[in-house]
Amino acid sequence: NAGVTQTPKFRVLKTGQSMTLLCAQDMNHEYMYWYRQDPGMGLRLIHYSVGEGTTAKGEVPDGYNVSRLKKQNFLLGLESAAPSQTSVYFCASSYYMGNNQPQHFGDGTRLSIL
Amino acid sequence: KQEVTQIPAALSVPEGENLVLNCSFTDSAIYNLQWFRQDPGKGLTSLLLIQSSQREQTSGRLNASLDKSSGRSTLYIAASQPGDSATYLCAVDGQNFVFGPGTRLSVLP
Repeated sequence: NAGVTQTPKFRVLKTGQSMTLLCAQDMNHEYMYWYRQDPGMGLRLIHYSVGEGTTAKGEVPDGYNVSRLKKQNFLLGLESAAPSQTSVYFCASSYYMGNNQPQHFGDGTRLSIL
Repeated sequence: KQEVTQIPAALSVPEGENLVLNCSFTDSAIYNLQWFRQDPGKGLTSLLLIQSSQREQTSGRLNASLDKSSGRSTLYIAASQPGDSATYLCAVDGQNFVFGPGTRLSVLP
């Protein structure tokens, strides 16, 4: 049982480049989330999805796009990377928001934008 | 807007001590509160989840309490061990899922 898997684990980009981060979960969870974690700021929600084919904005959505074409996958895209997007990105999943089930997290993707 | 704070930001204790980590939140309209552990370079592991109707939850040496009306939760760690060294984050599940900044714990052998 792999849980939540994020790929890649590390990536270095130049300003203006694009890339996609992949999150996959094998727990049949409905909800999936993308967070970024920056020193001293905790985790902040970028986008989330409440089911296949749905997406919604979180606290800090600007500069990112997401897609949930399959229930088990949630993709985070950076169309034109900026140095301010240097961060550690975490994906999480859960059955439903607010039903007292814990979120399960991946190990993170460390992204540096030069 | 929900805001979550954690005190202290960092804590260093000798092995064997009992310790308390604090979490405060501004909006009491929550479904639950979770405590997570994060090891360096790793993701978050859920430790305890307290539903809004509950007062506390226990798992082994960990005990978490919730006082929703005052917007506070505490994580009590009994007989601390070097393996408990990590960052501990609380998160409230309400209108959105909001994390605190974490408490970095070091337990010295």
